Amino acid sequence: AQSVAQPEDQVNVAEGNPLTVKCTYSVSGNPYLFWYVQYPNRGLQFLLKYITGDNLVKGSYGFEAEFNKSQTSFHLKKPSALVSDSALYFCASGGGYSTLTFGKGTMLLVSP
Amino acid sequence: KAGVTQTPRYLIKTRGQQVTLSCSPISGHRSVSWYQQTPGQGLQFLFEYFSETQRNKGNFPGRFSGRQFSNSRSEMNVSTLELGDSALYLCASSWGTGTSGALTDTQYFGPGTRLTVL
Repeated sequence: AQSVAQPEDQVNVAEGNPLTVKCTYSVSGNPYLFWYVQYPNRGLQFLLKYITGDNLVKGSYGFEAEFNKSQTSFHLKKPSALVSDSALYFCASGGGYSTLTFGKGTMLLVSP
Repeated sequence: KAGVTQTPRYLIKTRGQQVTLSCSPISGHRSVSWYQQTPGQGLQFLFEYFSETQRNKGNFPGRFSGRQFSNSRSEMNVSTLELGDSALYLCASSWGTGTSGALTDTQYFGPGTRLTVL
């Protein structure tokens, strides 16, 4: 069984400040982890994924994520937040045959 | 390259009716997965098809079914609609042939079909 947890329902950050959206995982075997973003009335957009290798994964739109095996975490980060980054962010783990198990989602609000 | 398309974008149905949703994957992708998104349950996996075969299924009642055609387009059907079926239904496509049983595949999502059951 596998699960992904996003402990924060909402994260507030001022524009220009660094942002972190947290994710922890519980999977059997090797973890395959993903981050997606959802804008209102839109589908999910892929940001980045961790399969193996470097613990720091770089993705789209300046986002990156840090994989930490000892803490079973995969936090999403960005050095300088933009108002346009305001959206709903989902962490997910890859399961058998193109199945994703999602966290509840974290709403990111970036204030001007 | 065109993205994943879903039709229709919005649907309003009444309880007891049935509905069919359509998904066209990215060209070349052979795997199509379906997800239900609701405020209460979040994003939940429905089923996945690859080369016209269902390879994986989530924990949903038999009223939810799907199929995939030879061109990889997919449809899902919900029969005897209930109020609780109101949701955003998302389709995602991927190559479907990645390592480890496609666990590592990146899935690309369509805009979704918003179903409202009255």
